[in-house]
Amino acid sequence: QQPVQSPQAVILREGEDAVINCSSSKALYSVHWYRQKHGEAPVFLMILLKGGEQKGHEKISASFNEKKQQSSLYLTASQLSYSGTYFCGTVSNTGKLIFGQGTTLQVKP
Amino acid sequence: KAGVTQTPRYLIKTRGQQVTLSCSPISGHRSVSWYQQTPGQGLQFLFEYFSETQRNKGNFPGRFSGRQFSNSRSEMNVSTLELGDSALYLCASSLRGATNEKLFFGSGTQLSVL
Repeated sequence: QQPVQSPQAVILREGEDAVINCSSSKALYSVHWYRQKHGEAPVFLMILLKGGEQKGHEKISASFNEKKQQSSLYLTASQLSYSGTYFCGTVSNTGKLIFGQGTTLQVKP
Repeated sequence: KAGVTQTPRYLIKTRGQQVTLSCSPISGHRSVSWYQQTPGQGLQFLFEYFSETQRNKGNFPGRFSGRQFSNSRSEMNVSTLELGDSALYLCASSLRGATNEKLFFGSGTQLSVL
């Protein structure tokens, strides 16, 4: 079953922060985050495994709450280059990596 | 190291035709996954192949099929095309397709069905 992302779209000014949420109805083994810029292929950001760890990538970090079957992506002091569509992908006991519908982020000067 | 290569980049077909899409993974990668991307639906999982065997399959009709060759290259076939099959088809490769591995995506094949 497809994870649900919220919000569907976000518009920010440079320097502002954003949080993108991802929730699943299934017990999860891992959560993946990817970013896709317009007309380009999705690019890997990070993977979070069971254990509630938080990982970081530049000013982008994420957390994984396996009990709540949720993950959140945190974008701090956003830059123009952060614009794009963010996808979370979840892996459950089926072993399939299933992506959410995406969250479109637009950062304006 | 070359990335994931998908051919062709664009395709225009008519309803009822069939189409074959090709994906060459990164050298050494043995897992290839296919996704369908449409506006508002995100990335829908089609199937995953590992060492020439289909390891996982999404919820698509039997008109969608695939295969993987001994050199890990993969093809995806859609028969009896419908208007709703118009989409960007992405393939992604990884070393083993393990749940803790990152995927490397190709640029996709944009299929338009008229």
